[in-house]
Amino acid sequence: NAGVTQTPKFQVLKTGQSMTLQCAQDMNHNSMYWYRQDPGMGLRLIYYSASEGTTDKGEVPNGYNVSRLNKREFSLRLESAAPSQTSVYFCASHVRALSSYEQYFGPGTRLTVT
Amino acid sequence: DAKTTQPPSMDCAEGRAANLPCNHSTISGNEYVYWYRQIHSQGPQYIIHGLKNNETNEMASLIITEDRKSSTLILPHATLRDTAVYYCIVRTDSWGKFQFGAGTQVVVTP
Repeated sequence: NAGVTQTPKFQVLKTGQSMTLQCAQDMNHNSMYWYRQDPGMGLRLIYYSASEGTTDKGEVPNGYNVSRLNKREFSLRLESAAPSQTSVYFCASHVRALSSYEQYFGPGTRLTVT
Repeated sequence: DAKTTQPPSMDCAEGRAANLPCNHSTISGNEYVYWYRQIHSQGPQYIIHGLKNNETNEMASLIITEDRKSSTLILPHATLRDTAVYYCIVRTDSWGKFQFGAGTQVVVTP
């Protein structure tokens, strides 16, 4: 049981390049999330997927797109990277239950845009 | 949405109890209080959550005031590995969308 996995762990892009961050979970969770964390800051929600087939914007969605490929996988795409997108990106998942909303986080992807 | 207020930082001596306060004065009746921590460069880790009763698990205790406007996370015997940023979060959505604030940087010293 690997939990939440993210690839790649590190990435350097030039301004204008595109890339997709991959996230997968093996816990049969319904909901998945993408957050970004800038240096010295808390996490900010980019997009989330309440269940397979649905996606919604979070606090900071501009410049990103997402795909909930299936129940296990939730990818984040940067179509035209900008230096302001330099950040650490975390994927998370949780199972929807009435009294439990514990989120499990991946190890993060450290992205630098030059 | 209920928001939380935490002190930006606090120090704690190794072996002593660490008491981390959180204010959530606008919390509504069906919102849970969650605590997470983030050790440097890692993904956040769930610690504990509660609605109105005090809760305890192997990591920590959570004390929620009777009016639910504030809570305290207690790490009973802090170790150097407890050095981390601790986030107090009130569930902001019916299915669990979380809003992370800046948290409290806890430094445990020998």
